[in-house]
Amino acid sequence: NAGVTQTPKFQVLKTGQSMTLQCAQDMNHNSMYWYRQDPGMGLRLIYYSASEGTTDKGEVPNGYNVSRLNKREFSLRLESAAPSQTSVYFCASSEDSSSYNEQFFGPGTRLTVL
Amino acid sequence: QKEVEQNSGPLSVPEGAIASLNCTYSDRVSQSFFWYRQYSGKSPELIMSIYSNGDKEDGRFTAQLNKASQYVSLLIRDSQPSDSATYLCAVRGAGNNRKLIWGLGTSLAVNP
Repeated sequence: NAGVTQTPKFQVLKTGQSMTLQCAQDMNHNSMYWYRQDPGMGLRLIYYSASEGTTDKGEVPNGYNVSRLNKREFSLRLESAAPSQTSVYFCASSEDSSSYNEQFFGPGTRLTVL
Repeated sequence: QKEVEQNSGPLSVPEGAIASLNCTYSDRVSQSFFWYRQYSGKSPELIMSIYSNGDKEDGRFTAQLNKASQYVSLLIRDSQPSDSATYLCAVRGAGNNRKLIWGLGTSLAVNP
């Protein structure tokens, strides 16, 4: 079991460029999440998907879009990157979001927007 | 505004000592509580979850929950230098609320 995988590990973009961060889990989890982590700000939820076919906004959704492609995959898209989106992005998944909601994280993507 | 508060530290303890990490939360109906460990440059790793009042032990780790006082703590016995990391507290509310509320973390340094 690879758990939660993310690609790419590192990315440098110029302002205005677009990119998609990929996330996949092999734990048969129903729910998936995208977070960003910035110094002094902690983990902040961008979007989440409680189940295949559904997505909901989190705390900081502006400038991002998501797609729950199937039960395994949940992608995060930056349509027009801004320097304020420089951050570390984590994908996470949980088995059943209606009860205990233990979330398991991928290794992260370090994104720099110049 | 639902909040989770942790002392940012750094908390410094000698090797072999007990490290005590604390977390308070504001939402009285919170149901599930989690401790994650995050090494520098790595992703958060779940180390303990607790759902009922009292203590829960797993190896050198003990989580303690007191819902009346709205705090959850993590004790690390026989601390090792490899325990040096940031410890994140996360809290989930009641009902269909799927989101976790995260603390900013406490930095722990275990000195040889």
